[in-house]
Amino acid sequence: NAGVTQTPKFRVLKTGQSMTLLCAQDMNHEYMYWYRQDPGMGLRLIHYSVGEGTTAKGEVPDGYNVSRLKKQNFLLGLESAAPSQTSVYFCASSYPGTGYHEQYFGPGTRLTVT
Amino acid sequence: AQSVTQLDSQVPVFEEAPVELRCNYSSSVSVYLFWYVQYPNQGLQLLLKYLSGSTLVESINGFEAEFNKSQTSFHLRKPSVHISDTAEYFCAVSVLNYGGSQGNLIFGKGTKLSVKP
Repeated sequence: NAGVTQTPKFRVLKTGQSMTLLCAQDMNHEYMYWYRQDPGMGLRLIHYSVGEGTTAKGEVPDGYNVSRLKKQNFLLGLESAAPSQTSVYFCASSYPGTGYHEQYFGPGTRLTVT
Repeated sequence: AQSVTQLDSQVPVFEEAPVELRCNYSSSVSVYLFWYVQYPNQGLQLLLKYLSGSTLVESINGFEAEFNKSQTSFHLRKPSVHISDTAEYFCAVSVLNYGGSQGNLIFGKGTKLSVKP
């Protein structure tokens, strides 16, 4: 049971390049999330998904797109990277229901845009 | 809108000293409250949570937090810290939606705890 995994762990992009970050979970969780972490800013929600084929915007969605074609995978895309997108990106997943459900986090992807 | 304020961005303490990391939240509805810990170069791990019931919750490694509804606070405490507690700690809140489902997590900006020998 690997939990939540993220690919790649590190990436350096030039301004204007595109890339896709992959998040995979093997816990059969319905909900998945993408966050970015910046120094002094905590974690901010970019996009999330409440099930296969559905996505929704979070707090800071501009410049990002997501897809959830398979239940276990949640992709985060940057179509034209900007230096402001230099950050550490975390994926999380959870099993919803009435009441509490814990979010499980991946190890993160450190992205630098030059 | 809900928000979380962690009053201290950095807290340096000596080993075996007590520590308190402060967290206040704003919400007009019922919430769940969490503390997450992030060790260097790692992801976030849930440290403890308040859902309902007893206002004092404890973790397996000696941390505790107390939910104070009147002060809208959820401060994290440990009576004696170790070098290994050096990490960044995030307070988070999640509101209870209509029907009882849990909303998304709102995180504070984090507090870096640095334990010195």
